[in-house]
Amino acid sequence: DAGITQSPRHKVTETGTPVTLRCHQTENHRYMYWYRQDPGHGLRLIHYSYGVKDTDKGEVSDGYSVSRSKTEDFLLTLESATSSQTSVYFCATGTGASTDTQYFGPGTRLTVL
Amino acid sequence: GENVEQHPSTLSVQEGDSAVIKCTYSDSASNYFPWYKQELGKGPQLIIDIRSNVGEKKDQRIAVTLNKTAKHFSLHITETQPEDSAVYFCAAKDFNKFYFGSGTKLNVKP
Repeated sequence: DAGITQSPRHKVTETGTPVTLRCHQTENHRYMYWYRQDPGHGLRLIHYSYGVKDTDKGEVSDGYSVSRSKTEDFLLTLESATSSQTSVYFCATGTGASTDTQYFGPGTRLTVL
Repeated sequence: GENVEQHPSTLSVQEGDSAVIKCTYSDSASNYFPWYKQELGKGPQLIIDIRSNVGEKKDQRIAVTLNKTAKHFSLHITETQPEDSAVYFCAAKDFNKFYFGSGTKLNVKP
């Protein structure tokens, strides 16, 4: 398995507070992704990174920001959490080759009260 | 952007029977189609994939078929076992983004 860890694994927070989720990889993969998983929606891309300091938006990026200052770390920040951001968040990494897969972390369950 | 649809949303089979999950995609530029299995409380894991220049791929009890003209691809699991019970996701890769189906919950009854 690819060495991908996410922290924290569980978090409960209140509406309006900032939240940062961390993804750490030991595979030296160029690409890193943040998804959210909600019932009936599968996995939806929030943001992704194609290198240090290089990021782009996904299909559900509103309310989220990301940063990547090192190859191994990709941070997802909710500047002011809302109840609609209650979800399970998955980080994934990949080499970026056109026909290469991505490898997922264990997920972070976030509850916004 | 790409749109991936997956059916059925739930599938219940008897142990030993076959299971088929179908997906369609919209963007002809998509060139890579992985399938993931997700067990409760875990992240998705790749079980099989297929590239756009291949029509079929098999790995033991699991096979995937791709029809580029019709823009659909399917996962076939033969001789199902209780440990195959999980949620399965199809995906299509367009450039460097992956687009996922909504998932199929497979229940294999002993």
